[in-house]
Amino acid sequence: DTAVSQTPKYLVTQMGNDKSIKCEQNLGHDTMYWYKQDSKKFLKIMFSYNNKELIINETVPNRFSPKSPDKAHLNLHINSLELGDSAVYFCASSPEGLANGEQYFGPGTRLTVT
Amino acid sequence: KNQVEQSPQSLIILEGKNCTLQCNYTVSPFSNLRWYKQDTGRGPVSLTIMTFSENTKSNGRYTATLDADTKQSSLHITASQLSDSASYICVVRWYSSASKIIFGSGTRLSIRP
Repeated sequence: DTAVSQTPKYLVTQMGNDKSIKCEQNLGHDTMYWYKQDSKKFLKIMFSYNNKELIINETVPNRFSPKSPDKAHLNLHINSLELGDSAVYFCASSPEGLANGEQYFGPGTRLTVT
Repeated sequence: KNQVEQSPQSLIILEGKNCTLQCNYTVSPFSNLRWYKQDTGRGPVSLTIMTFSENTKSNGRYTATLDADTKQSSLHITASQLSDSASYICVVRWYSSASKIIFGSGTRLSIRP
């Protein structure tokens, strides 16, 4: 009965490839997020969707494109992968928007670009 | 510039001992502050949330304090257990034209038997 799930857990790929990470939440939350955690352990928000609509789009390269087919899913597609994209990517969801809602995080996807 | 700084970066203590982790922020106007616990290989899990008017909040052996005047928060862990070994992340929200959020880099806590 995992609340927020991500697949895959590990992803190793070569520079220039295109890859996707999937995220699903079964909590009935309206808002979902993608975060990147770099080697220094800083978590930085990348995108936020509310009911399938993009509400936050931080300064990330346009090689990163989120897709939300429904409010329970928020996938992250990355084109032309670069070495600097190596990080752990976390999906999260919350019942409310960023203002007050506690965020529930997925287990993370460790992306390694070689 | 809005920032969240945590100290120490890492901490090792013996099982059963107490410890205090610090979080200083420069965010304004402040909305709320959360402490998260992140186990290795897992996503963060919320421990406490504090708003401007709250000075202290407890969650079991975890007690968070907030001084909104000095923009400082602390997380005190009492009678530490091996399962407390994790990273503890301070997260601050503020509101300008829209809600914003910023994460500290965390304190890596190791509990030794």
